[in-house]
Amino acid sequence: EVQLVESGGGLVQAGRSLRLSCTVSGFTVGAYGLTWFRQAPGKGLEWVAFIRSRAYGGTTEYAASVAGRFTISRDEPKSIVYLQMNSLRSEDTAMYYCSRLYQQWLARFDYWGQGTLVTVSS
Amino acid sequence: AIQMTQSPSSLSASVGDRVTITCRASQDIRNVLGWYQHRPGKAPKLLIYSASSLESGAPARFSGSGSGTYFTLTISSVQPEDFATYYCLQDYTYPWTFGQGTKVEL
Repeated sequence: EVQLVESGGGLVQAGRSLRLSCTVSGFTVGAYGLTWFRQAPGKGLEWVAFIRSRAYGGTTEYAASVAGRFTISRDEPKSIVYLQMNSLRSEDTAMYYCSRLYQQWLARFDYWGQGTLVTVSS
Repeated sequence: AIQMTQSPSSLSASVGDRVTITCRASQDIRNVLGWYQHRPGKAPKLLIYSASSLESGAPARFSGSGSGTYFTLTISSVQPEDFATYYCLQDYTYPWTFGQGTKVEL
């Protein structure tokens, strides 16, 4: 059974750092692209970061709002995808979800975690 | 960035109603669009990918259509568990973008 479980959220002061984890099971973490999305309170869903599968070089992409501050990475032996968040701002307050991309250019994000809440105080 | 515009932003429906939500892209995205259901406190759920392909396990009352810049999601007969917010999403080009969401209410 495929599962994604996020952890690492919490309350943090603006300017500080936080690392989110997404522990996966039921598939090989390097075989798929993995994505972080977020939803700020009262707002819609927003794409944050993406790491390609091993077959596509494991390269990364970021939303402009987090580029240079956030880093997505993967630990294949541990089956974990990370989101390192530095220089946090109040506008980063959101529920963060990780998701598996079944295949790009199909808009097919087929499995999602339940989310982890990040609150940035100013 | 490609802008995705959903309409309506909210709608009221009764069980058994037929409901249609539209999503317009600011430029041609071919058929690279998905539809997601999001209930409060739950993980988003994939319903439709490639504009019209029903995801395995998604109820057959959900259907999608469209290509280019105009897309629709239809619920043929709304059920109690369908009251949620629905989003379209394109991964045709970066940054990937969602519509602003359509809340389906009783």
